[in-house]
Amino acid sequence: GAGVSQTPSNKVTEKGKYVELRCDPISGHTALYWYRQSLGQGPEFLIYFQGTGAADDSGLPNDRFFAVRPEGSVSTLKIQRTERGDSAVYLCASSLGNNQPQHFGDGTRLSIL
Amino acid sequence: DQQVKQNSPSLSVQEGRISILNCDYTNSMFDYFLWYKKYPAEGPTFLISISSIKDKNEDGRFTVFLNKSAKHLSLHIVPSQPGDSAVYFCAASRSSYDKVIFGPGTSLSVIP
Repeated sequence: GAGVSQTPSNKVTEKGKYVELRCDPISGHTALYWYRQSLGQGPEFLIYFQGTGAADDSGLPNDRFFAVRPEGSVSTLKIQRTERGDSAVYLCASSLGNNQPQHFGDGTRLSIL
Repeated sequence: DQQVKQNSPSLSVQEGRISILNCDYTNSMFDYFLWYKKYPAEGPTFLISISSIKDKNEDGRFTVFLNKSAKHLSLHIVPSQPGDSAVYFCAASRSSYDKVIFGPGTSLSVIP
C-alpha cells in the first residue's frame, strides 16, 4: 500500500540493549514525525524532520534517543541502553507540511524486559 | 501540563443517535485542530480538521465545531454506527510550527 510503513511491528529485547525502529513515509511527504504512545494516553511528540534535518527534537526524553533521516525519506529511531520505561508503541507519521494532516503508520510495539 | 484535554475517557451511544466528543485546550497559540480515530493495534487515522479561521467544518457524518473564546472544540458524529467504535484523539498545533499535541483520547462505544 501507499501508507506509512513501520518495521518491525513488534520488538522484544532485554534491558540495556540497543534498538532501531524504522519508518518509511508516504512517498512525497517532506515532513516526518516520531511519537511514543503509552497505554491510556495520546501520542507524545518526540521529534520532527523537515527533509533531512531535525526541525524539532524537543520531545526526545534524553540522550539515549536519537533519530536520523539521511536522505529525506526513510527515518530510523535509535534507542541506546534501553530501560523498562522505554516500553511503549512508537508511532511514525508523515505529512505534506504545515497545516496538513499527519498520516500514521501502525507503530512498533517495543517491550523491554 | 496537559495542553489538550479530553475529560471523558469513555462514551457509550446507541446506534443511530448522535455522538458528541469534547476537547479543551489551554494554549491560545494553537490555530489548527484535528481529530483522529484509532482502532486497536493500528495507528491513528486522520478524520477531520479545522483551522481557527472557521468555527465549523463538516465531512459526511462528521462535523467539528470550534469555539475559540472558550478554547473548546467538539466532534459530532451523526448518525452513529457500530463501526465508529474506537478511541478518538483530539489534537492541536500552531500553523507556523508543526508539532502536534494530542489529548489522552475518548473511547467511543456505539451499541447496536
